[in-house]
Amino acid sequence: NAGVTQTPKFQVLKTGQSMTLQCAQDMNHEYMSWYRQDPGMGLRLIHYSVGAGITDQGEVPNGYNVSRSTTEDFPLRLLSAAPSQTSVYFCASSYSLTPAYNYGYTFGSGTRLTVV
Amino acid sequence: SQQGEEDPQALSIQEGENATMNCSYKTSINNLQWYRQNSGRGLVHLILIRSNEREKHSGRLRVTLDTSKKSSSLLITASRAADTASYFCATDRGSTLGRLYFGRGTQLTVWP
Repeated sequence: NAGVTQTPKFQVLKTGQSMTLQCAQDMNHEYMSWYRQDPGMGLRLIHYSVGAGITDQGEVPNGYNVSRSTTEDFPLRLLSAAPSQTSVYFCASSYSLTPAYNYGYTFGSGTRLTVV
Repeated sequence: SQQGEEDPQALSIQEGENATMNCSYKTSINNLQWYRQNSGRGLVHLILIRSNEREKHSGRLRVTLDTSKKSSSLLITASRAADTASYFCATDRGSTLGRLYFGRGTQLTVWP
């Protein structure tokens, strides 16, 4: 099925460990982004990419790295996990950012991360 | 910082009633979007309204946009129990660089 696939769905990390959250889309979307969702906070943008090889920081980038080597994949790396990174992480993609051709974002089902 | 701010934070209604949620924002925009999130799930795009549009319909959804007041409303007519979810508005703050900013959402509960 077409869409945005995130793995894993659940993860528990110890403080200081590193890991990579995977995100893949098969819709040939140029734009991809990572958000975190915390209770009562809505979604906050971590990093985003407007195409392969191009990434930029969002609102809360500290502690996270991204790269975009292909159109399909946009992994998010936690460098040294901290309890403050306990959250639900969502990946999203969009066909176009051009206002006339922006039809909204497709979200993955999320990764629930707990750092102990 | 949050761009869109939804109001009310929580809304509880009976099936068959209409539900209205409001969103206010602070900057110019290219478009405003509404999303639904069922408990424990990802966000689902509902509707996008461009800055030069004033009203848009999609099924039982009606969205209005008032750029002079920097506000939008989402109306769900004839609500169903299945409409129970959190609803978020999001804007691009006038940028095409890829940033989409979300509010904290309205939790809608529709009782059978």
